[in-house]
Amino acid sequence: ELKVEQNPLFLSMQEGKNYTIYCNYSTTSDRLYWYRQDPGKSLESLFVLLSNGAVKQEGRLMASLDTKARLSTLHITAAVHDLSATYFCAPPRGSNYQLIWGAGTKLIIKP
Amino acid sequence: DTGVSQDPRHKITKRGQNVTFRCDPISEHNRLYWYRQTLGQGPEFLTYFQNEAQLEKSRLLSDRFSAERPKGSFSTLEIQRTEQGDSAMYLCASSPGTAYSYEQYFGPGTRLTVT
Repeated sequence: ELKVEQNPLFLSMQEGKNYTIYCNYSTTSDRLYWYRQDPGKSLESLFVLLSNGAVKQEGRLMASLDTKARLSTLHITAAVHDLSATYFCAPPRGSNYQLIWGAGTKLIIKP
Repeated sequence: DTGVSQDPRHKITKRGQNVTFRCDPISEHNRLYWYRQTLGQGPEFLTYFQNEAQLEKSRLLSDRFSAERPKGSFSTLEIQRTEQGDSAMYLCASSPGTAYSYEQYFGPGTRLTVT
């Protein structure tokens, strides 16, 4: 069974702190996608990681991919309230690139 | 490029009724996906189209569900004889077939409530 496990599932933190979200997956994919979802809204693409060792940064967020370990991380630096959302990692499966999703990490950042 | 659009955004229906949702992908995106998301969970894959061909269907897609993509443009997802368990957000995504990234762009979703 294909699985995506995110850790933690829920994270409450103070503004200004750093933290890392971990994504373990069981597929043999060479790539992985990170999405953000605000309550009641759709999914917004954050990062597309296309190879082993890929690292991408956008503002206070940085994502990395280790395909050998089947592990991706999303690091938050000096968190701000606007980053409060649910974050999903999703590796694709098969030649159709359908995405396999975990339960997401709900992040709450308190002022 | 106006993004992926979905219609309606919200649908409330009584159990047993049929509903149909529409998705308009980004122009020239030949790949189109339908996902379903229930509250507090990640999305689940339902079906995939490449141009007008439906190439993959999830086991989640029971006989009550049918999807089409005539002419390889917009797509429709129909649910017959709705059940309360069908209540969810139905998400459509499109992807360009020529881009190496195969990144999927999501629409705003259709929230279905079955009473």
